[in-house]
Amino acid sequence: SAVISQKPSRDICQRGTSLTIQCQVDSQVTMMFWYRQQPGQSLTLIATANQGSEATYESGFVIDKFPISRPNLTFSTLTVSNMSPEDSSIYLCSVRAGSSGNTIYFGEGSWLTVV
Amino acid sequence: DQQVKQNSPSLSVQEGRISILNCDYTNSMFDYFLWYKKYPAEGPTFLISISSIKDKNEDGRFTVFLNKSAKHLSLHIVPSQPGDSAVYFCAASVGSGYSTLTFGKGTMLLVSP
Repeated sequence: SAVISQKPSRDICQRGTSLTIQCQVDSQVTMMFWYRQQPGQSLTLIATANQGSEATYESGFVIDKFPISRPNLTFSTLTVSNMSPEDSSIYLCSVRAGSSGNTIYFGEGSWLTVV
Repeated sequence: DQQVKQNSPSLSVQEGRISILNCDYTNSMFDYFLWYKKYPAEGPTFLISISSIKDKNEDGRFTVFLNKSAKHLSLHIVPSQPGDSAVYFCAASVGSGYSTLTFGKGTMLLVSP
C-alpha cells in the first residue's frame, strides 16, 4: 500500500480566494489522481497528474479552475481557484499502488468550506 | 447518468449478523470492481476487489459477489461488528490497470451492539 498525506486537512475559505492542497506520497508513483466528493455525492475524478507532463482533466473540470502541479514522483498540488460556495467539498489525492499495482489508495482528504 | 448505483443510502444491522451492501452498474465495459470503506473525516480505505473473470472473492469477513449478467455486485460482511460502521463505496473501472474509478454514492452502514 501507499501512505498518502494531505494538507490542509480542513479549511474555511472566503469566496473569491484560492487555496492550494498538497499531497505527499511515501513512495514514487507514476500517476496521481485528484478526486472531489461534494456533500451527498459520490467521489468524482477531477484530473490525473503525471510527472513531467500536463495534467489530464475530466469532463467538467478545467485547468484554470483547478491548476495542478506534479514536480516529482512523490508530490502533487491541486489549487482550487476563485472559490465559490459550490466548491465546498472534500478533495482527495490518490495513487495507484499495491503488489499488483492495480489498487487505488486515497489520502485522508482536505475538507474545504467556502463562505 | 450514474453508471454505478448504490440504491440504499443506509443500512442498519445488529452486531454478529450479516451485512449485505448492494451495487448495480450500467456500463458493460466495466470489468474490475472495488469496495472502499470511509469513516468520517478520513479518506476512503480499500477493502476488497473483484475481476469480472470471477464471481466471488473472499478476504476474511468480507466477501464480494459479482453477477455479470445482472450487472450487480454485493459486499457481504460476516459477522458484522460495530467498528464496521462507516460509508461503503462501490467503484468500477475498465480493466484492473486502468486508473479511473467510477464511484457510487455510498451506503452508510450502522452496526449496533
